[in-house]
Amino acid sequence: EVQLLESGGGLVQPGGSLRLSCVVSGFSFSNYAMSWVRQAPGKGLEWVSALSGNGATTYYADSVKGRFTVSKDNSNNTLYLQMNSLRAEDTAVYYCAKNPDSYGSGSSQYWGLGTQVTVSS
Amino acid sequence: DIQMTQSPSTASAFVGDRVTITCRASQSITNWLAWFQQKPGKAPSLLIFDASTLETGVPPRFSGGGYGTEFTLTITSLQPDDFATYFCQQYHGYPFTFGQGTKLEIK
Repeated sequence: EVQLLESGGGLVQPGGSLRLSCVVSGFSFSNYAMSWVRQAPGKGLEWVSALSGNGATTYYADSVKGRFTVSKDNSNNTLYLQMNSLRAEDTAVYYCAKNPDSYGSGSSQYWGLGTQVTVSS
Repeated sequence: DIQMTQSPSTASAFVGDRVTITCRASQSITNWLAWFQQKPGKAPSLLIFDASTLETGVPPRFSGGGYGTEFTLTITSLQPDDFATYFCQQYHGYPFTFGQGTKLEIK
């Protein structure tokens, strides 16, 4: 059974940093691309970032480019999202999701439960 | 970036009704489109991918269509469990953008 579990969210001041983690199980992590998607309170879904299965190719939304970094540790089946220079508009539930192939194409069939990030002074 | 525009933003219907939600892309995305259902406090759930392919386990009252820039999600014979918010997403090219969502309410 495919499972994804995010952690690392919390309350942080503007300008601060957080690192989100997503531990996965039930599939060969190194063979699949992964994505981060967020949802601000009462708003729609916003795609944030993606990482190829081998970790060599990254993609970012313009809204986070230069501030967020996606990475993975295949030995620990863990996806990360390092978030720096956080802003109030980054406040959201952050989901990790599994892509259907290693390149990052296709829609995400499996999603985690999400972790809440709140940026506020 | 490819912009995705959904309509309507909100829809009201009775149990048993047929509902159609539309999603338009700002440029051709061929058939690289997915539909998701989301209920309050839950993660999105994939319904349809490649514009018209039903995800395993999704009831056949859900169907998707379209190609290029205009797409539809149709739900026939609405069930109480179908009242939720629906999002389209294009994956023709990064960034993989979502529509703003359609909230389906019970009348």
